[in-house]
Amino acid sequence: SQELEQSPQSLIVQEGKNLTINCTSSKTLYGLYWYKQKYGEGLIFLMMLQKGGEEKSHEKITAKLDEKKQQSSLHITASQPSHAGIYLCGAPDYFSGGSNYKLTFGKGTLLTVNP
Amino acid sequence: GAVVSQHPSRVICKSGTSVKIECRSLDFQATTMFWYRQFPKQSLMLMATSNEGSKATYEQGVEKDKFLINHASLTLSTLTVTSAHPEDSSFYICSARAGRDTEAFFGQGTRLTVV
Repeated sequence: SQELEQSPQSLIVQEGKNLTINCTSSKTLYGLYWYKQKYGEGLIFLMMLQKGGEEKSHEKITAKLDEKKQQSSLHITASQPSHAGIYLCGAPDYFSGGSNYKLTFGKGTLLTVNP
Repeated sequence: GAVVSQHPSRVICKSGTSVKIECRSLDFQATTMFWYRQFPKQSLMLMATSNEGSKATYEQGVEKDKFLINHASLTLSTLTVTSAHPEDSSFYICSARAGRDTEAFFGQGTRLTVV
């Protein structure tokens, strides 16, 4: 099965600073999702990447899937307190058999942005 | 993005009773729905995957007779926790996806407390 490892596990930054969160897969990624979660709430979809080298941006958040399709990075520019939360990467697991391609998630990165 | 509505958001029940949680895709047809459980400060643990009109596929270690999943239509899946016990207290989140290679959207989650 596919495993996703996120780093760092937690991150504290000063407002206005840039930051990067990484997601590394044990197998080739055929799709990679980034979500944001506030503790005790549902997940907010941020972006989906499918092609090697693909990069997408939404407001101040940019995500990229590397050419080899085994790692993705999420970059936040000029962070704000509103960016605080848990960031999760998820991927459809094509290796566990079956046709549902269940989603596997990393353990998350807790981001704190200090004003 | 697409909207997935989960209800109720919070529920408290007595030990031994059953609780039903609903997950609806409001603006798309969800061929696949996923049910997750999340423990405090941990990532999502996939419980089961369901396709409309067929039996759910449960992850190893998840009791299918205790966590009944029904996916009767393309817009509704339900999770029933039968004979709930305090150890079933947790945060349950559903996710819905239109197709195998499309985005997966999440409900708001349900906080279940069994007393």
